[in-house]
Order: sequence, then C-alpha cells, then structure tokens
Amino acid sequence: AQSVTQLDSHVSVSEGTPVLLRCNYSSSYSPSLFWYVQHPNKGLQLLLKYTSAATLVKGINGFEAEFKKSETSFHLTKPSAHMSDAAEYFCVVSGSSNTGKLIFGQGTTLQVKP
Amino acid sequence: EPEVTQTPSHQVTQMGQEVILRCVPISNHLYFYWYRQILGQKVEFLVSFYNNEISEKSEIFDDQFSVERPDGSNFTLKIRSTKLEDSAMYFCASRFAPGFTGELFFGEGSRLTVL
Repeated sequence: AQSVTQLDSHVSVSEGTPVLLRCNYSSSYSPSLFWYVQHPNKGLQLLLKYTSAATLVKGINGFEAEFKKSETSFHLTKPSAHMSDAAEYFCVVSGSSNTGKLIFGQGTTLQVKP
Repeated sequence: EPEVTQTPSHQVTQMGQEVILRCVPISNHLYFYWYRQILGQKVEFLVSFYNNEISEKSEIFDDQFSVERPDGSNFTLKIRSTKLEDSAMYFCASRFAPGFTGELFFGEGSRLTVL
C-alpha cells in the first residue's frame, strides 16, 4: 500500500533562511508525488508534482523538491523563507488505483519568524 | 482563474440530522472527489466519481454517505444521519483528466460540526 510520512509536524525558520520539509514515501510501484500547501482558512493548493520525469521538480513561489528513489524521499526546499510561506504543507502520493486518488501525509506546519 | 467552490463554509448540526455539502467543480472537469480532514489528523480520501458513478470509495464512505451530481454543475456529499465523529473539514476536488498528469483542484472546504 502507498503511504507517506512527513518527518516533522512543525518546522520553525527565520525569514530569509532556507526551508527543508522532509517526506518519505512507501510505494509498491513508481509513484507520482506532490506537495500541497494550505494557508489558514484556504483550500489546498498544488505547489509541485513529480510524475516520473525530471527528479528535481520546481514549483511555485520558489519551492522545489527532489525525488530520490534510493532514499524513498521527496523533501521540499526553498532557499529563502518569506513570511507568506507560513502555512501547512502536505506531502502526497498517488494511490494504487487508476481513479486519481491521493494519499496525504500528516502535514507539517511551517512557522516563519521575522 | 477557475476554482472549485464549496458551500456552506461552515455548518453546525445536531447528531442524527442529515447534512448536504455542496460543491461546484471547475466547469470542464470530469473527475470529482471528496476528502475530509478531522481536526489534527491527515486529509483522507472518501470517494471518487466519474461518469455519474462512484469509481472508488474508502472504508470511511459507508452507507451513511452518498454522492450525487444532480445537474451539470453541482456535486454533493450527503451524510444521512450525522455522528459526532463526522465533525471534520470536507474538501471537494476536481480534475479534467484521469491519472496524475493533470492538476487536482481543491475547494476551500466545508467545516462540519456535529453536536
């Protein structure tokens, strides 16, 4: 069965410093992987996705993630945090069926301090 | 920019009451989904819907739940007799194409509180 584990429930960084949100996945086949962001009282917005093309994926707002099959990881990074990056981030893996179902991680809350 | 819209944004109901959560997916999308997030827990898949029928449902989606696309625009989730544990944020989502190449667009959610 497919699953994702987000290794940190809460990450706190200072504005202008790098961001690293960690995600490990488990999948019995080559998965599609995603990062979604949820700002307070807002819906889930796609940041980036990996679907078996380039292993380094660039997303919106300066975020990127690298698919590492040997480590079963898909960590999200950003060189310099901005106050507006404060939100909940979800690592997501594709389900095994062909219905487009997604399986979410537990989420990581990113706090950005001034 | 097209978006998925959900109503109501927040509903409070008594245990045992029926609730209908409404969603208007993006107009040319063909695949529709409901997810839910109980406070403090992960987002969970409930059901997927295509071509006017359920294509997959989770074990959460028991006989108390149903989905319907009553016209060309709305996609509804009905909970027949709400329980306390149904309190959660419910997200509707839609996509144009099958699989994972196309983006899945989520609504802002409907918060259901069961008292």
